[in-house]
Amino acid sequence: RKEVEQDPGPFNVPEGATVAFNCTYSNSASQSFFWYRQDCRKEPKLLMSVYSSGNEDGRFTAQLNRASQYISLLIRDSKLSDSATYLCVVNIGGYSTLTFGKGTMLLVSP
Amino acid sequence: SQTIHQWPATLVQPVGSPLSLECTVEGTSNPNLYWYRQAAGRGLQLLFYSVGIGQISSEVPQNLSASRPQDRQFILSSKKLLLSDSGFYLCAWSGDGGYNSPLHFGNGTRLTVT
Repeated sequence: RKEVEQDPGPFNVPEGATVAFNCTYSNSASQSFFWYRQDCRKEPKLLMSVYSSGNEDGRFTAQLNRASQYISLLIRDSKLSDSATYLCVVNIGGYSTLTFGKGTMLLVSP
Repeated sequence: SQTIHQWPATLVQPVGSPLSLECTVEGTSNPNLYWYRQAAGRGLQLLFYSVGIGQISSEVPQNLSASRPQDRQFILSSKKLLLSDSGFYLCAWSGDGGYNSPLHFGNGTRLTVT
């Protein structure tokens, strides 16, 4: 089983739709979790950290399910500008153990 | 606020030539610094990280090396590039929260070895 797995997509959704991505991780000792977005040929940018109780930032909601070892990202009212690849990142607690998923591509259409 | 600068943005180099990529961070002290590589269609691969001046940990030794001559400067080098060194090189920093802090990336250098 891969350390961090994501559905590569693409997820094609119309503007205004709600879309959710999941990311599973294999190491139950994982301590910190993040979502990044990466636009084509650009650097990844931190979207949000994921906290145990779940957290929200505007239209974005992140959740952590330790029992099933996955994190999720929910995007409400999708905008064209949300089109990007979303990377799930997990760390078991070390400078060299930050593990990136390969990303889920989202395409929002008019 | 903290900013990270990385240059050059693009680079085309012949096989066997040397490489030097530079990264500097502003607005923070004693950052943790990282070099990652992202090959086409693949995930991010950690190459080196540094928790202080002169302290370099290598994850993928190969023909690359890294140095941290100053607190906020991180350099990636190679004496002889290989075709397989082509990729998108990203410098990143993290802050006071240690290894559980999120990373913040520079704009990246797109390297093509010909």
